[in-house]
Amino acid sequence: AQKITQTQPGMFVQEKEAVTLDCTYDTSDQSYGLFWYKQPSSGEMIFLIYQGSYDEQNATEGRYSLNFQKARKSANLVISASQLGDSAMYFCAMRGTYSSASKIIFGSGTRLSIRP
Amino acid sequence: DTAVSQTPKYLVTQMGNDKSIKCEQNLGHDTMYWYKQDSKKFLKIMFSYNNKELIINETVPNRFSPKSPDKAHLNLHINSLELGDSAVYFCASSQDFSRWGTEAFFGQGTRLTVV
Repeated sequence: AQKITQTQPGMFVQEKEAVTLDCTYDTSDQSYGLFWYKQPSSGEMIFLIYQGSYDEQNATEGRYSLNFQKARKSANLVISASQLGDSAMYFCAMRGTYSSASKIIFGSGTRLSIRP
Repeated sequence: DTAVSQTPKYLVTQMGNDKSIKCEQNLGHDTMYWYKQDSKKFLKIMFSYNNKELIINETVPNRFSPKSPDKAHLNLHINSLELGDSAVYFCASSQDFSRWGTEAFFGQGTRLTVV
């Protein structure tokens, strides 16, 4: 069975600092995709970044980067130069292959609060 | 243009009632999903549909009946609503469920409150 673990229920960070949100995963699939989503207080789910299991380079999207360590089965999200608008819930997620491909499973989320 | 749209955004109803949530996507995606987000923000897959065919039913009570009239629409009907059904329900879509690198795009959610 696949599993996503986010061990930080909540984090406080000073504005303009970088922040790392932790995510570890468990799967027996050789091929899989890892995703991060942001959920602001307004409630919508916003896709941020994707990393494939065979990608040799870490994914980056603007201020977001994914620190992918395959051997450790970790896929941490790094937000550089945090902004007040980054305050939100962040979810790590995964899609596997074969029967696991038909759904994306989510971790329990990390609530990030940015202090001015 | 909204990519994945759900209606209604809020739904307050009494126990025992039957209600429906509608979802439409204009992304041309083949796969659609229903997720339930509980009060602790945990997101759990309920159903996956691919080209109108059910491919996943994650042990959801049979009071929940999804229906996909075409691949752009996936509705969720709930019979005999219970207090425990109170949650936010998200519809989502993706290009192709068999491609493990495909992200899902979510609707804005429907907050269901059963009183």
